[in-house]
Amino acid sequence: AQTVTQSQPEMSVQEAETVTLSCTYDTSESDYYLFWYKQPPSRQMILVIRQEAYKQQNATENRFSVNFQKAAKSFSLKISDSQLGDAAMYFCAYRSNQGGSEKLVFGKGTKLTVNP
Amino acid sequence: ETGVTQTPRHLVMGMTNKKSLKCEQHLGHNAMYWYKQSAKKPLELMFVYNFKEQTENNSVPSRFSPECPNSSHLFLHLHTLQPEDSALYLCASSQGTGTGHFFGPGTRLTVL
Repeated sequence: AQTVTQSQPEMSVQEAETVTLSCTYDTSESDYYLFWYKQPPSRQMILVIRQEAYKQQNATENRFSVNFQKAAKSFSLKISDSQLGDAAMYFCAYRSNQGGSEKLVFGKGTKLTVNP
Repeated sequence: ETGVTQTPRHLVMGMTNKKSLKCEQHLGHNAMYWYKQSAKKPLELMFVYNFKEQTENNSVPSRFSPECPNSSHLFLHLHTLQPEDSALYLCASSQGTGTGHFFGPGTRLTVL
């Protein structure tokens, strides 16, 4: 079974600075998807960024980018120019490409604090 | 309304009560999910429905009973719950093409 590990329960960053959140996963599959989700306090969980394992190019979405190291099974999230609104729980998730439904395996999350 | 909606947003119930959680998705997705989110633990997948058919039951106790009458609606019927069932229950939907889940706001459940 696949597992996802987020080794940083909490992180903090100064506004306008850059922060990197770590995620490692374990799988024997070669084709899969990886996601980062953001869950602000008392608000809805939203998708931040998505990476397809067969693509070597790292995904980027505005200030959010990933460092995908397939051999190392590592999928870190970099947030540039951090803003107060980036404060949230961030979850890394894995999705197998086998089967029809998008069953996700989540890490425990990293709580990000942004200091003004 | 757009996206995924859940009602109620908050629910307090006794261990002998029967209640239901409702989820509706307005995205035309094929799959719907129930997750349980407890403090200090990863999200736990409970049930998966694909085209109204249950495709996964992740060893969930029978006091949780899902119902999916169509691809847009998903219910979670609750009865004789335990205090340890207190958690945030999240509904999600997806198209099943690797694009990820769309989550509802969740129902914060407290079992007294």
